[in-house]
Amino acid sequence: SQQGEEDPQALSIQEGENATMNCSYKTSINNLQWYRQNSGRGLVHLILIRSNEREKHSGRLRVTLDTSKKSSSLLITASRAADTASYFCATALYSSASKIIFGSGTRLSIRP
Amino acid sequence: SAVISQKPSRDICQRGTSLTIQCQVDSQVTMMFWYRQQPGQSLTLIATANQGSEATYESGFVIDKFPISRPNLTFSTLTVSNMSPEDSSIYLCSVEYGTFQETQYFGPGTRLLVL
Repeated sequence: SQQGEEDPQALSIQEGENATMNCSYKTSINNLQWYRQNSGRGLVHLILIRSNEREKHSGRLRVTLDTSKKSSSLLITASRAADTASYFCATALYSSASKIIFGSGTRLSIRP
Repeated sequence: SAVISQKPSRDICQRGTSLTIQCQVDSQVTMMFWYRQQPGQSLTLIATANQGSEATYESGFVIDKFPISRPNLTFSTLTVSNMSPEDSSIYLCSVEYGTFQETQYFGPGTRLLVL
């Protein structure tokens, strides 16, 4: 089964609003990563947060990690039409840090 | 970051045939990964390919169905053998890259439709 489950499965917001996506996982991790995929194309790496970190920022992206709850969130502020994509969390396990397991993904639509 | 290309970008194949997908990286990398993404689904790891050794397959994937080659540090191929419509998916390769070898960079994917 998937290591990570994301919610919501789909999210539609107005341009300019903030978008928040959540990811829950099951086992201990080395790090957690967020990726974006546009229209079934290749994945773009957005941000990586290590298990000893609680929050990380990159431009309009903010990622939090709560290892006690085995959950992470991705916040996109001031959304733009170009942010329309699917977003996936992926976890690297302590047992095999090279292998990352993807969550189910959130489909984000930004309405103009 | 590493730049990855895949060939073909898409293909339509008849059931029972085989297709070999190529993955080329612009830098030497130790580990390469092959994923499958079925329509509307997330990515599932097929196998990990290290140069000079046999690929390691995940549960549910076998070498006879998905043979992999890794002849050097910049290239790998995945063959989808004896295809059926259930094999219709996007196939993506990725590499580990960076200072701590933590981030994976993905190719653009190969979109396969089996009729």
